[in-house]
Amino acid sequence: DTAVSQTPKYLVTQMGNDKSIKCEQNLGHDTMYWYKQDSKKFLKIMFSYNNKELIINETVPNRFSPKSPDKAHLNLHINSLELGDSAVYFCASSQDRAGGLYNEQFFGPGTRLTVL
Amino acid sequence: RKEVEQDPGPFNVPEGATVAFNCTYSNSASQSFFWYRQDCRKEPKLLMSVYSSGNEDGRFTAQLNRASQYISLLIRDSKLSDSATYLCVVNYKARNSGNTPLVFGKGTRLSVIA
Repeated sequence: DTAVSQTPKYLVTQMGNDKSIKCEQNLGHDTMYWYKQDSKKFLKIMFSYNNKELIINETVPNRFSPKSPDKAHLNLHINSLELGDSAVYFCASSQDRAGGLYNEQFFGPGTRLTVL
Repeated sequence: RKEVEQDPGPFNVPEGATVAFNCTYSNSASQSFFWYRQDCRKEPKLLMSVYSSGNEDGRFTAQLNRASQYISLLIRDSKLSDSATYLCVVNYKARNSGNTPLVFGKGTRLSVIA
């Protein structure tokens, strides 16, 4: 029944490792997103995919690589993890309207990443 | 000037009180406005969209003032369950594409006390 799901919920890893976070939505939406929420609770968009195509790539280090195998999935792979990558990563999806207007975004439960 | 600015709070109010949150945004071309609610250690969830004419949903009223680039949220008859962080959200024209990502404010924390 979960609309937007993410795995894992918690991820603790050492600096320098490579890790992936998976996201799936069963809402039939055509747009998916990755957000990062840091320790100051600031939620910032990282990437947006529309029908498997990257449409937004904000200023994110290229160690972060999103991959969308189909429009229901958007995974996030992170290479060479750094201490500053510790944060909560939220996946979201929406069915966007024409003209750049937005409908409601549905968020996954988040993945709490801790880099030691 | 920050893209979306909110008073971080916390606002500590007794049950039954009326509380108002304000938010200002910097991009005059912004088109979509929302209030999201985020409970502690949970994901954000849409509370309500904000329309130019203002809109109400039960105890919640949202107002938009485009001239002043200002959004407000009024909560009447506060309940304990209203305790959360309220995020002001605005769309913003991306620099290098025609797409418009949402920009979230840092949120205003509300604690409703019995």
